[in-house]
Amino acid sequence: GEDVEQSLFLSVREGDSSVINCTYTDSSSTYLYWYKQEPGAGLQLLTYIFSNMDMKQDQRLTVLLNKKDKHLSLRIADTQTGDSAIYFCAESKAFGTASKLTFGTGTRLQVTL
Amino acid sequence: GAVVSQHPSRVICKSGTSVKIECRSLDFQATTMFWYRQFPKQSLMLMATSNEGSKATYEQGVEKDKFLINHASLTLSTLTVTSAHPEDSSFYICSARFANEKLFFGSGTQLSVL
Repeated sequence: GEDVEQSLFLSVREGDSSVINCTYTDSSSTYLYWYKQEPGAGLQLLTYIFSNMDMKQDQRLTVLLNKKDKHLSLRIADTQTGDSAIYFCAESKAFGTASKLTFGTGTRLQVTL
Repeated sequence: GAVVSQHPSRVICKSGTSVKIECRSLDFQATTMFWYRQFPKQSLMLMATSNEGSKATYEQGVEKDKFLINHASLTLSTLTVTSAHPEDSSFYICSARFANEKLFFGSGTQLSVL
């Protein structure tokens, strides 16, 4: 079946880069997503990548996809205290809300001073 | 932006009681809402898809008689955990579909059954 795995916790110092990793098992995954959940708030879509891409950059965020190894990562440059949140990796077969999303466990990112 | 309100954020109840969780889309109509559950250190898992005016579609392994979903209006879906037991203790979160394009999530409900 489908499985998405992430480490549960990551701690980085303010100003350093954070790298959050995710692995998935379903080779038919077409879209991969990163969601951010801040304390007391809902999940918000940060970015997504189509499976025929290997990199996507958006300001401080860089998404890397290794389709062969089924490995996705999210790099946050110059991590700030406001980046402290839970980051969920997710995959789907198609883009859009009609397609079922399969989520990982979420990685709690703690940014220290 | 679109907002989804989920209430309560935290609930503690006795074993055998029923608990209702509400999910409201505050500034848009949502014909479809989704309910997820996350046990500690496990993945966020889809439980069911709630469609306004029709029966919910449950994922495999989710008991429909235990997790009652009602989507009576375009802005409200409720999840009732009936006769809750300690093993139902989990984090429950809803999302609402906006304009068939985007998903907006509620902030989640932490259920603890004693």
